[in-house]
Amino acid sequence: QSVLTQPPSVSAAPGQKVTISCSGSSSNIGNNYVSWYQQLPGTAPKLLIYDNNNRPSGIPDRFSGSKSGTSATLGITGLQTGDEADYYCGTWDSSLSAGVFGGGTKLTVL
Amino acid sequence: EVQMVESGGGLVQPGGSLRLSCAASAFTFTTYWMTWVRQAPGKGLEWVANIKQDGSEKHYVDSVKGRFTISRDNAKTSLYLHMNSLRAEDTAVYFCARLRFSYGSGYYRYYMDVWGKGTTVTVSS
Repeated sequence: QSVLTQPPSVSAAPGQKVTISCSGSSSNIGNNYVSWYQQLPGTAPKLLIYDNNNRPSGIPDRFSGSKSGTSATLGITGLQTGDEADYYCGTWDSSLSAGVFGGGTKLTVL
Repeated sequence: EVQMVESGGGLVQPGGSLRLSCAASAFTFTTYWMTWVRQAPGKGLEWVANIKQDGSEKHYVDSVKGRFTISRDNAKTSLYLHMNSLRAEDTAVYFCARLRFSYGSGYYRYYMDVWGKGTTVTVSS
């Protein structure tokens, strides 16, 4: 069981918007920065969002991140079939002194 | 191009040992924390261990403490994971990644900005 909680799956039609939630506690999300990763089938994870809401160079602005209290959210607009992937949130847990990930959310673009 | 290339995976019997390597290139290795993350077949990501720039600070997930050791050779720009007393549940793809890890203004900043392609470890008799 993961320290951070994500929905197992979400789906939406091409062109639509989807959000993926990530719930934690005061020892992780509540007091530390959150990052998001995209893992396309059969590939390594790729950083999508860091420090709650910043995009690395090359990541389109269709991807956005936000944080409120002990929860974080990844938003994807203008969905494309190429966005079908697993998405993970991550952060540091100050109480565990450990890196933690959510269990992952599988995005299906119908 | 910033790159990490893992090697050393393979099939090992329960109780056996293995050493994973990660060769880093095209960035100043000595200025970054580094980390190992694993992914069991069909499962999600699991953080394994971190190591500070000079090797003076290390962190491990509870399930590998006392069995795995993370280390680095800055002269060779390489990261290692020494794995002993391997168990079936250690079967996974192991990724090395460059880690941004710092503390300031009451918050930890923690994310992996560049990942290798991974190496597969299978623990089975």
